[in-house]
Amino acid sequence: AQKITQTQPGMFVQEKEAVTLDCTYDTSDPSYGLFWYKQPSSGEMIFLIYQGSYDQQNATEGRYSLNFQKARKSANLVISASQLGDSAMYFCAMRENDMRFGAGTRLTVKP
Amino acid sequence: DVKVTQSSRYLVKRTGEKVFLECVQDMDHENMFWYRQDPGLGLRLIYFSYDVKMKEKGDIPEGYSVSREKKERFSLILESASTNQTSMYLCASSIDSYGQPQHFGDGTRLSIL
Repeated sequence: AQKITQTQPGMFVQEKEAVTLDCTYDTSDPSYGLFWYKQPSSGEMIFLIYQGSYDQQNATEGRYSLNFQKARKSANLVISASQLGDSAMYFCAMRENDMRFGAGTRLTVKP
Repeated sequence: DVKVTQSSRYLVKRTGEKVFLECVQDMDHENMFWYRQDPGLGLRLIYFSYDVKMKEKGDIPEGYSVSREKKERFSLILESASTNQTSMYLCASSIDSYGQPQHFGDGTRLSIL
């Protein structure tokens, strides 16, 4: 069963603007972690940000923030001040015992 | 830094062959994972191992098996390769905790002819 849903196959954003990438998840486990990864065209998987299910505050890492809405089971990634180098595939993932990923969103930053 | 090494970056095999994909990590991680990545489908979990000689099926285990005889090494085996197993295969490792991220290898692009 699909546990992670990313509904945006592709997104475009103008350089220097903010963009939100959507992610919803499904679990009945009270303990879980939510992750976002970036995959540039070179193929490596780069860990961006983590949110724990018990965390009260939204996670932030530099220009990345995670908009965590637990009741809605939503964990959207917000990238502020987009840069050309942000163009990549972005994957949302949830960890219980194992780790499962969404289908990904391809972000293109326009100059 | 954690290093996850996959034995081959590119591999071409023939239908019906038995194929071994090897993955080694150097950080004494308990958990190791195998995924395949296909366009539009994201990363799909094939198998994961939470300790030596322990394994769990993921979402798409059919046609695959795994071996973990030593903590640092996790092997994916295609028992009889088929063309629909042509894909990018990614190995990952992590500390055994839901709060820990995975560290990925560079991937093996496998083509079955």
